[in-house]
Amino acid sequence: AQSVTQPDIHITVSEGASLELRCNYSYGATPYLFWYVQSPGQGLQLLLKYFSGDTLVQGIKGFEAEFKRSQSSFNLRKPSVHWSDAAEYFCAVERSNDYKLSFGAGTTVTVRA
Amino acid sequence: DAGVIQSPRHEVTEMGQEVTLRCKPISGHDYLFWYRQTMMRGLELLIYFNNNVPIDDSGMPEDRFSAKMPNASFSTLKIQPSEPRDSAVYFCASRPRGADTQYFGPGTRLTVL
Repeated sequence: AQSVTQPDIHITVSEGASLELRCNYSYGATPYLFWYVQSPGQGLQLLLKYFSGDTLVQGIKGFEAEFKRSQSSFNLRKPSVHWSDAAEYFCAVERSNDYKLSFGAGTTVTVRA
Repeated sequence: DAGVIQSPRHEVTEMGQEVTLRCKPISGHDYLFWYRQTMMRGLELLIYFNNNVPIDDSGMPEDRFSAKMPNASFSTLKIQPSEPRDSAVYFCASRPRGADTQYFGPGTRLTVL
């Protein structure tokens, strides 16, 4: 079974500073990889995804993520954080085509002025 | 498109009562998923359907939980009898055939007193 680890429970970042959220997965092959964002009281919105090809993927809201096979990682980054980026971020993996998402525990991002 | 619709958005009930959560997937999506989100266990997949047929219910916690999908535009998740430990946010998501992304509803926050 695959598992997903998000080592950071909570990150505080200043507005305008860069942000990096870590995600590590455990799976024998390369799974499908996703980052979702959840704003308070809202559902989950897809930020970006990776299946194959270019290991640097661009998403919505200025986010990007880099897949590193050697490290089994899929870290999310944003060069300059806006106050509206305060939310909870989830990394998720899916085995190739089995339709079942496994989520990490989430990282809560607080943005200070 | 209205997106995935869930009702009610909030439900407060007393232990022992029956609870029914409802979901309307995005039109044309063949797959429907039910998730539960708690502080202790994070986001867990409970069950998913393909063309109204349950495919994997291995995440359903116990016999008190049941899910149905009588047609392509409606699904229910029922808890009978409910217990305080069932308090959580329940998400429904749908996905089109051949696509790689699940679209989440806003969730139902259930509180069992």
